Amino acid sequence: EVQLVESGGGLVQPGGSLTLSCATYGLTLSNYWMSWVRQAPGKGLEWVASIKQDGGEEYSVDSVKGRFTISRDNAKNSLSLQMNNLRVEDTAVYYCARQRNVGTYYSPLYYLDYWGQGALVTVSS
Amino acid sequence: DIQMTQSPSSLSASVGDRVTITCRASQSISTHLTWYQQKLGEAPKVLIFAASSLQSGVPPRFSGSGSGTDFTLTISSLQPEDSATYYCQQTYNIRALTFGGGTKVEI
Repeated sequence: EVQLVESGGGLVQPGGSLTLSCATYGLTLSNYWMSWVRQAPGKGLEWVASIKQDGGEEYSVDSVKGRFTISRDNAKNSLSLQMNNLRVEDTAVYYCARQRNVGTYYSPLYYLDYWGQGALVTVSS
Repeated sequence: DIQMTQSPSSLSASVGDRVTITCRASQSISTHLTWYQQKLGEAPKVLIFAASSLQSGVPPRFSGSGSGTDFTLTISSLQPEDSATYYCQQTYNIRALTFGGGTKVEI
Protein backbone atom coordinates (compact mmCIF):
# COMPACT_ATOMS: atom_id res chain seq x y z
CA GLU A 1 0.00 0.00 0.00
CA VAL A 2 1.32 3.41 -0.96
CA GLN A 3 1.66 5.86 1.93
CA LEU A 4 3.10 9.35 2.12
CA VAL A 5 3.81 10.80 5.57
CA GLU A 6 4.78 14.44 6.06
CA SER A 7 6.66 15.72 9.09
CA GLY A 8 8.49 18.82 10.24
CA GLY A 9 5.65 21.31 10.44
CA GLY A 10 5.32 23.79 13.26
CA LEU A 11 5.31 27.41 14.36
CA VAL A 12 8.02 29.70 13.03
CA GLN A 13 8.57 33.45 13.11
CA PRO A 14 8.53 35.54 9.94
CA GLY A 15 11.93 35.37 8.29
CA GLY A 16 12.62 31.99 9.80
CA SER A 17 13.29 28.61 8.21
CA LEU A 18 11.71 25.19 8.32
CA THR A 19 12.24 21.91 6.48
CA LEU A 20 9.38 19.59 5.68
CA SER A 21 9.99 15.92 5.01
CA CYS A 22 7.82 13.37 3.25
CA ALA A 23 8.55 9.71 3.92
CA THR A 24 7.22 7.36 1.26
CA TYR A 25 6.21 3.72 1.62
CA GLY A 26 5.04 1.10 -0.83
CA LEU A 27 6.46 2.73 -3.95
CA THR A 28 9.73 3.01 -5.82
CA LEU A 29 10.29 6.74 -5.39
CA SER A 30 12.80 6.95 -8.25
CA ASN A 31 10.00 6.13 -10.74
CA TYR A 32 7.95 9.27 -10.04
CA TRP A 33 7.88 13.01 -10.24
CA MET A 34 6.84 14.32 -6.82
CA SER A 35 5.08 17.52 -5.79
CA TRP A 36 4.26 19.73 -2.83
CA VAL A 37 0.84 21.38 -2.65
CA ARG A 38 -0.33 23.76 0.08
CA GLN A 39 -3.62 25.04 1.42
CA ALA A 40 -3.90 28.19 3.49
CA PRO A 41 -6.56 28.16 6.23
CA GLY A 42 -10.01 28.30 4.63
CA LYS A 43 -8.54 28.69 1.13
CA GLY A 44 -8.09 26.56 -1.96
CA LEU A 45 -5.27 24.32 -3.12
CA GLU A 46 -2.04 25.85 -4.44
CA TRP A 47 0.72 23.90 -6.17
CA VAL A 48 4.11 24.78 -4.64
CA ALA A 49 6.84 22.76 -6.36
CA SER A 50 7.63 19.60 -8.33
CA ILE A 51 10.80 17.58 -8.88
CA LYS A 52 11.75 15.03 -11.53
CA GLN A 53 12.58 11.41 -10.78
CA ASP A 54 16.35 11.98 -10.71
CA GLY A 55 16.18 15.47 -9.25
CA GLY A 56 17.44 16.91 -12.54
CA GLU A 57 14.46 19.20 -13.07
CA GLU A 58 12.48 21.17 -10.54
CA TYR A 59 9.82 23.83 -10.81
CA SER A 60 8.08 26.05 -8.29
CA VAL A 61 5.38 28.68 -8.07
CA ASP A 62 6.65 32.25 -8.47
CA SER A 63 5.75 33.25 -4.90
CA VAL A 64 8.28 30.81 -3.40
CA LYS A 65 11.08 31.02 -5.98
CA GLY A 66 14.38 31.84 -4.31
CA ARG A 67 13.00 30.96 -0.87
CA PHE A 68 11.85 27.30 -1.08
CA THR A 69 13.90 24.36 -2.37
CA ILE A 70 12.46 20.98 -3.23
CA SER A 71 14.79 17.99 -3.07
CA ARG A 72 14.67 14.22 -2.88
CA ASP A 73 16.68 11.24 -1.67
CA ASN A 74 15.54 8.21 -3.63
CA ALA A 75 17.76 5.87 -1.64
CA LYS A 76 15.97 6.95 1.55
CA ASN A 77 12.54 7.11 -0.13
CA SER A 78 12.06 10.68 0.98
CA LEU A 79 11.14 14.10 -0.35
CA SER A 80 11.95 17.43 1.29
CA LEU A 81 10.93 21.06 1.11
CA GLN A 82 13.42 23.54 2.56
CA MET A 83 11.60 26.80 3.33
CA ASN A 84 13.61 29.94 4.06
CA ASN A 85 12.65 33.54 4.70
CA LEU A 86 9.13 32.46 5.61
CA ARG A 87 6.28 34.94 5.38
CA VAL A 88 2.94 35.10 7.17
CA GLU A 89 1.27 34.24 3.86
CA ASP A 90 3.15 30.91 3.75
CA THR A 91 0.96 29.69 6.62
CA ALA A 92 -0.77 26.57 5.30
CA VAL A 93 -1.12 22.83 5.42
CA TYR A 94 1.55 21.39 3.12
CA TYR A 95 0.89 18.13 1.31
CA CYS A 96 3.34 15.94 -0.58
CA ALA A 97 1.91 14.04 -3.52
CA ARG A 98 2.99 11.46 -6.07
CA GLN A 99 2.76 12.52 -9.70
CA ARG A 100 1.65 9.54 -11.75
CA ASN A 101 2.17 9.39 -15.54
CA VAL A 102 -0.68 7.74 -17.43
CA GLY A 103 0.64 8.81 -20.82
CA THR A 104 3.84 7.75 -22.51
CA TYR A 105 7.45 8.71 -21.90
CA TYR A 106 7.39 11.14 -24.87
CA SER A 107 3.82 12.32 -24.31
CA PRO A 108 3.25 12.20 -20.57
CA LEU A 109 -0.05 12.93 -18.87
CA TYR A 110 0.26 13.42 -15.13
CA TYR A 111 -2.00 13.60 -12.15
CA LEU A 112 -1.44 13.58 -8.38
CA ASP A 113 -2.75 10.18 -7.32
CA TYR A 114 -1.46 9.73 -3.76
CA TRP A 115 -1.32 12.46 -1.13
CA GLY A 116 0.01 12.61 2.41
CA GLN A 117 -2.12 13.70 5.36
CA GLY A 118 -0.51 17.14 5.43
CA ALA A 119 1.78 19.11 7.75
CA LEU A 120 0.73 22.46 9.22
CA VAL A 121 3.18 25.34 8.94
CA THR A 122 2.29 28.47 10.89
CA VAL A 123 4.30 31.63 10.33
CA SER A 124 3.57 34.14 13.05
CA SER A 125 5.33 36.42 15.50
CA ASP B 1 0.79 30.40 -16.40
CA ILE B 2 -2.46 28.64 -17.28
CA GLN B 3 -5.40 29.97 -15.26
CA MET B 4 -8.19 27.60 -14.23
CA THR B 5 -11.63 29.05 -13.56
CA GLN B 6 -14.27 26.96 -11.83
CA SER B 7 -17.96 27.65 -11.58
CA PRO B 8 -20.01 27.90 -9.54
CA SER B 9 -17.95 28.64 -6.43
CA SER B 10 -20.64 26.99 -4.33
CA LEU B 11 -23.94 25.21 -4.78
CA SER B 12 -26.66 23.64 -2.70
CA ALA B 13 -28.53 20.60 -3.97
CA SER B 14 -30.66 17.74 -2.73
CA VAL B 15 -30.00 14.04 -2.50
CA GLY B 16 -30.63 12.48 -5.89
CA ASP B 17 -30.01 15.67 -7.86
CA ARG B 18 -27.77 15.79 -10.91
CA VAL B 19 -24.94 18.24 -10.26
CA THR B 20 -22.59 19.79 -12.81
CA ILE B 21 -19.40 21.72 -12.09
CA THR B 22 -17.45 23.42 -14.86
CA CYS B 23 -13.78 24.26 -15.22
CA ARG B 24 -12.34 26.50 -17.93
CA ALA B 25 -8.66 26.77 -18.81
CA SER B 26 -7.13 30.02 -20.11
CA GLN B 27 -5.55 28.07 -22.99
CA SER B 28 -5.91 24.60 -24.46
CA ILE B 29 -4.75 21.82 -22.14
CA SER B 30 -5.93 18.87 -24.26
CA THR B 31 -7.16 16.35 -21.67
CA HIS B 32 -4.56 17.14 -18.97
CA LEU B 33 -7.27 17.78 -16.41
CA THR B 34 -7.85 16.16 -13.02
CA TRP B 35 -10.80 16.47 -10.65
CA TYR B 36 -10.33 16.13 -6.87
CA GLN B 37 -12.74 15.89 -3.98
CA GLN B 38 -11.73 17.30 -0.60
CA LYS B 39 -13.73 16.79 2.57
CA LEU B 40 -13.20 18.96 5.63
CA GLY B 41 -9.95 18.15 7.40
CA GLU B 42 -8.84 15.59 4.82
CA ALA B 43 -6.35 15.46 1.98
CA PRO B 44 -7.72 15.76 -1.56
CA LYS B 45 -8.81 12.54 -3.27
CA VAL B 46 -8.67 11.91 -7.02
CA LEU B 47 -12.02 11.37 -8.74
CA ILE B 48 -11.25 11.79 -12.44
CA PHE B 49 -7.94 11.96 -14.33
CA ALA B 50 -7.18 12.66 -17.99
CA ALA B 51 -10.46 14.61 -18.11
CA SER B 52 -12.74 11.57 -18.25
CA SER B 53 -11.07 8.52 -16.68
CA LEU B 54 -12.59 7.35 -13.41
CA GLN B 55 -10.06 6.70 -10.67
CA SER B 56 -10.18 3.16 -9.27
CA GLY B 57 -12.58 2.87 -6.35
CA VAL B 58 -14.57 6.00 -7.19
CA PRO B 59 -18.33 5.47 -7.56
CA PRO B 60 -19.58 5.58 -11.16
CA ARG B 61 -22.02 8.41 -10.36
CA PHE B 62 -18.99 10.66 -10.89
CA SER B 63 -18.03 11.40 -14.49
CA GLY B 64 -15.87 13.90 -16.33
CA SER B 65 -15.91 15.25 -19.85
CA GLY B 66 -14.28 17.87 -22.03
CA SER B 67 -11.07 18.67 -23.82
CA GLY B 68 -9.22 21.78 -24.89
CA THR B 69 -10.41 24.56 -22.59
CA ASP B 70 -13.80 23.48 -21.25
CA PHE B 71 -14.40 20.64 -18.80
CA THR B 72 -17.26 19.30 -16.72
CA LEU B 73 -17.56 17.18 -13.60
CA THR B 74 -20.98 15.57 -13.20
CA ILE B 75 -22.45 13.80 -10.21
CA SER B 76 -25.41 11.90 -11.63
CA SER B 77 -27.28 11.33 -8.37
CA LEU B 78 -26.00 13.32 -5.41
CA GLN B 79 -25.46 11.39 -2.18
CA PRO B 80 -25.04 12.74 1.38
CA GLU B 81 -21.37 11.71 1.42
CA ASP B 82 -20.69 13.91 -1.63
CA SER B 83 -20.77 17.03 0.52
CA ALA B 84 -17.27 18.39 -0.12
CA THR B 85 -15.23 20.90 -2.08
CA TYR B 86 -14.25 19.94 -5.62
CA TYR B 87 -11.16 21.19 -7.45
CA CYS B 88 -9.92 20.89 -11.00
CA GLN B 89 -6.20 20.95 -11.84
CA GLN B 90 -4.29 21.24 -15.09
CA THR B 91 -1.08 19.25 -15.58
CA TYR B 92 -0.47 20.31 -19.18
CA ASN B 93 2.21 22.76 -18.11
CA ILE B 94 4.30 20.78 -15.64
CA ARG B 95 6.44 23.86 -14.96
CA ALA B 96 3.41 25.47 -13.31
CA LEU B 97 0.62 23.16 -12.24
CA THR B 98 -2.49 25.13 -11.36
CA PHE B 99 -5.76 24.45 -9.56
CA GLY B 100 -9.17 25.96 -9.98
CA GLY B 101 -10.60 27.95 -7.10
CA GLY B 102 -12.87 25.15 -5.91
CA THR B 103 -16.61 24.45 -5.78
CA LYS B 104 -18.22 23.81 -2.41
CA VAL B 105 -21.14 21.40 -2.65
CA GLU B 106 -23.69 21.45 0.16
CA ILE B 107 -26.52 19.01 0.55
